[in-house]
Amino acid sequence: DIQMTQSPASLSASLGETVTIECRASEDIYNGLAWYQQKPGKSPQLLIYNANSLHTGVPSRFSGSGSGTQYSLKINSLQSEDVASYFCQQYYDYTFGAGTKLELK
Amino acid sequence: QVSLKESGPGILQPFQTLSLTCSFSGFSLGTSNMGVGWIRQTSGKGLEYLATIWWDDDKYFNPSLNSRLTVSKDTSNNQAFLKITSVDTADTGTYYCTQCYNNHGWFAYWGQGTLVTVSS
Repeated sequence: DIQMTQSPASLSASLGETVTIECRASEDIYNGLAWYQQKPGKSPQLLIYNANSLHTGVPSRFSGSGSGTQYSLKINSLQSEDVASYFCQQYYDYTFGAGTKLELK
Repeated sequence: QVSLKESGPGILQPFQTLSLTCSFSGFSLGTSNMGVGWIRQTSGKGLEYLATIWWDDDKYFNPSLNSRLTVSKDTSNNQAFLKITSVDTADTGTYYCTQCYNNHGWFAYWGQGTLVTVSS
C-alpha cells in the first residue's frame, strides 16, 4: 500500500495570504495525484489532477506542483470561500490523505 | 451534464448487509471506459476508496475490504449498486458514488453522499 502523509492537519490564514498544503507519498507516485476541496456537508470537489493540471472551472489562484514523493497545493490570495478541508489522493490504490482544515485567522 | 445520487437505508444494525444504489445521468455504463466508483468518509478512516465497476463488468476492490464488498450495475436504468456484508459501527459514515473514466485516476464527479449509521 502507498501511504499518503498530508500536512498540516489544520491551518489558519488571513484573507489575501498565500497558503501551501503538502502531501508526501511513501513511494514515487509519478505525478499520479489529485487534490480536492470539501466544504461542510458537501461532497469533495476536484481541484487539481495529474499533480499540476487545473480542473475545469477551478479558480487560477489554486495550483499544484511536485514530483516523486512530494507534492503541494498552493492557494494564492486566500478568499473567504476557500475555507474548507483539502485532501490529496494518489492514483495507484486511490488512497487519500487525512486532510487539512483551512480556517480564516 | 454528469450527475450522481446515492440512496440507501439510512440506519441498519450490526451484522446486516448494507445495500446502496447510485442513480446517475450524463453518462452511460454502456460506453467504453466508463465506470462508477464508491468512496466513503468515516470518522475513523477519513476518505476511503471502496470499489469500482466498469463498463465491461470488470471490478476493482479495496483489498482491505474485498471479502465484504459486492458491486453490480443496471446499464439500462443508469444505476450502480454496492453491497457491504456484516456491517459494524466502523462502517458508519457518508457513502459517495463517483464517475470513473479508465486511465483517469482522479474522481471528477461525485454524488451528494448518503449517510449510513450502523447502530444496535
